Amino acid sequence: GAGVSQSPSNKVTEKGKDVELRCDPISGHTALYWYRQRLGQGLEFLIYFQGNSAPDKSGLPSDRFSAERTGESVSTLTIQRTQQEDSAVYLCASSLVVDRGEQYFGPGTRLTVT
Amino acid sequence: DAKTTQPTSMDCAEGRAANLPCNHSTISGNEYVYWYRQIHSQGPQYIIHGLKNNETNEMASLIITEDRKSSTLILPHATLRDTAVYYCIVREESGGSNYKLTFGKGTLLTVNP
Repeated sequence: GAGVSQSPSNKVTEKGKDVELRCDPISGHTALYWYRQRLGQGLEFLIYFQGNSAPDKSGLPSDRFSAERTGESVSTLTIQRTQQEDSAVYLCASSLVVDRGEQYFGPGTRLTVT
Repeated sequence: DAKTTQPTSMDCAEGRAANLPCNHSTISGNEYVYWYRQIHSQGPQYIIHGLKNNETNEMASLIITEDRKSSTLILPHATLRDTAVYYCIVREESGGSNYKLTFGKGTLLTVNP
């Protein structure tokens, strides 16, 4: 497809379980970003990738969160031992290069931790 | 710590122009003005950006004042599908932590039939 895709679109999980969220960026985009949006709140930056390198992980809320990227392709955001406060929409975006140009967002994954 | 100020909400009649203001009085010389919007339950969508000249694309026009302390996003013929939260973002084009888009609270534009 032409845009950023994310899967699953919705995920309901029990507290304490691990979840994996996937992002497929636009082909040719070297930069990839993860954001989180809690209900009624603004976007919170989590992490970005330049290629498969993540220069800034400071936005990750805790060590239960990790992310990786394969080359300049798919990225996965993993949340271990999920907590109810992890419930949010997780948004992925990509851009042609990291520090120029606009970011194109995917539809997000709505995570609900029960 | 958004560097922009926008009205909380605005209304517009369908078919009319929607003019969304943004104040960015502390903008520096190498910072661009970006506009995104977020339709309910969707990811943010890039609209337009500019440095100091007015810009136009298929979605909107961006008017930046000469002193660059404020700007206006213009949707020339608003439709019901333009109902969304519109975010004005100031961002350095390169360097620093410009990779993070810092979204403020934005303006909820409601287009009425």
